[in-house]
Amino acid sequence: EVQLVESGGGLVQPGGSLRLSCAASGFTFSNYAMHWVRQAPGKGLEYVSTISSNAESTFYANSVRGRFTISRDNAKNTLYLQVPSLRTEDMAVYYCAKGGPTVAQGLDSWGQGTLVTVSS
Amino acid sequence: DIQMTQSPSALSASVGDRVTITCQASQDIANYLNWYQQKPGKAPKSLIYDASNLETGVPPRFSGTGSGTDFTLTISSLQPDDIATYYCQQYDSLPLTFGGGTKVEIK
Repeated sequence: EVQLVESGGGLVQPGGSLRLSCAASGFTFSNYAMHWVRQAPGKGLEYVSTISSNAESTFYANSVRGRFTISRDNAKNTLYLQVPSLRTEDMAVYYCAKGGPTVAQGLDSWGQGTLVTVSS
Repeated sequence: DIQMTQSPSALSASVGDRVTITCQASQDIANYLNWYQQKPGKAPKSLIYDASNLETGVPPRFSGTGSGTDFTLTISSLQPDDIATYYCQQYDSLPLTFGGGTKVEIK
C-alpha cells in the first residue's frame, strides 16, 4: 500500500522559512515523479512543483518559481520542499503526491498534508 | 498554461439523483485528465484517470467521459457518501492545472 507522510509544517513569521518533507513507502520511490500541491484555507487545489524520478528535472508554478526548491533523496525515499521567504499568501496545507514514471501524469496517491501558517 | 474551467461550482441534489459535472480545457489535452474527490478535512483521492478509467475500488456509479477539451464526471445515483468537492486536473503538460472545484451537497 502506498503511503505518503508529510511533515515540517508549522507557524512561521512572514519572511521565515521551512523545509517540508514527505516520507514515501509501499512503492519503488525512485521510479516515479513526485509533486507538491497546496490548498489555501477554503480554496481549491494549486499546483506547486514537480521533480522527475531521477531528480534531473524540476518544475515550478509561477507563484513560487525562484523561491521554493523541490528535491528528493531516493536512498531515503523522501521528497522535500524548501520554502524560504514565506508570504501570507503561501499559507496552505501542502500535499505531496505520487505521479507516474514521467513528469506529466496524474497523481494517484496523496499524503494527508502538512499545514503551513504564516502570521506575525 | 492550460486553464481548466469546471461547472457548476456547487450543486445540491437528492439521494439517487444523477449528477453531472463538466470540465473544459483551454486547449486540446487529448484524454490526459484526472478527476479527484476531496471530502472535508481530507486529502484528495483520485477517482478517474485518462478521462474515463476508474481507479481500483471506486464505485461503478462514477464515470468519466470526454476527450480534447470537454469532459464530464457523472455520478449515476448520488449517495450520502459522495458529499465532497470534485476537481478535474489536466496532465497534458506542466504546470499541472486544476479546475476550480465543484462542491456537491445533498438536498
